Amino acid sequence: AQRVTQPEKLLSVFKGAPVELKCNYSYSGSPELFWYVQYSRQRLQLLLRHISRESIKGFTADLNKGETSFHLKKPFAQEEDSAMYYCALTHNNDMRFGAGTRLTVKP
Amino acid sequence: EPEVTQTPSHQVTQMGQEVILRCVPISNHLYFYWYRQILGQKVEFLVSFYNNEISEKSEIFDDQFSVERPDGSNFTLKIRSTKLEDSAMYFCASRWQGDLAYEQYFGPGTRLTVT
Repeated sequence: AQRVTQPEKLLSVFKGAPVELKCNYSYSGSPELFWYVQYSRQRLQLLLRHISRESIKGFTADLNKGETSFHLKKPFAQEEDSAMYYCALTHNNDMRFGAGTRLTVKP
Repeated sequence: EPEVTQTPSHQVTQMGQEVILRCVPISNHLYFYWYRQILGQKVEFLVSFYNNEISEKSEIFDDQFSVERPDGSNFTLKIRSTKLEDSAMYFCASRWQGDLAYEQYFGPGTRLTVT
C-alpha cells in the first residue's frame, strides 16, 4: 500500500540556518511526489513537484528511489518559511499525504 | 488568478443530520477531489471524480458519503447521517489535466462540526 511518512511533527530552526524536512514513501510503482505548504490561515498550495526538478522560494527536493525519500531542503531558512509542510504521493488519481511537519523559523 | 471556492466556511450540524458541502472548482478543470482533515491529524483523501463518476475512493468514503456535480460549476459532498467523528475540515481540490504530475488546487476548506 502507498504510504508517506514525515517523521518530524515539529521542526524549529533559526533564520539563516539550513533546513531539511524529511519525507519517506512506500510505493511499488513510480510515484509522483509533491510538497505542499500551508501558511497560517491560508489554503494548501503546491510548493514543488519532483518531476519538474525546480527550485521554488529557495526550496529543492530530490527524489531518491534507492532510499525512497523526497526530502525538502533549503540552505538558508527565512522567517516567512514558517508553515505546515506536507509531502504527498499521487497514484491512480488519488493523493496520499504525510502527517505534515510544522516548520518554525526563529529570528 | 482563479481559485477553488467552498461554502460554507463553517457548518454546525446535529448528529444524524444530512449535510451538503459545496465546492466550485476552477472552471476549466476536469478532475475533482474531496479530502478531510480531522483536527491535529493529517489530510486524508476521500474521493476523486472525473467525467461525472467516481474514479477513486478511500476506505473512509463509505455509503454515508456521496458526491455530485449537479451542474457545470458545483461539486458537492453529501454526508447522509452525520456522526461525531465526521467533525473535520473538508477540502475540495481540482486539477486541470489527466497527467498526475499536474498540480491540484485546493479550496480554503469547510469546517464541519457535528454536535
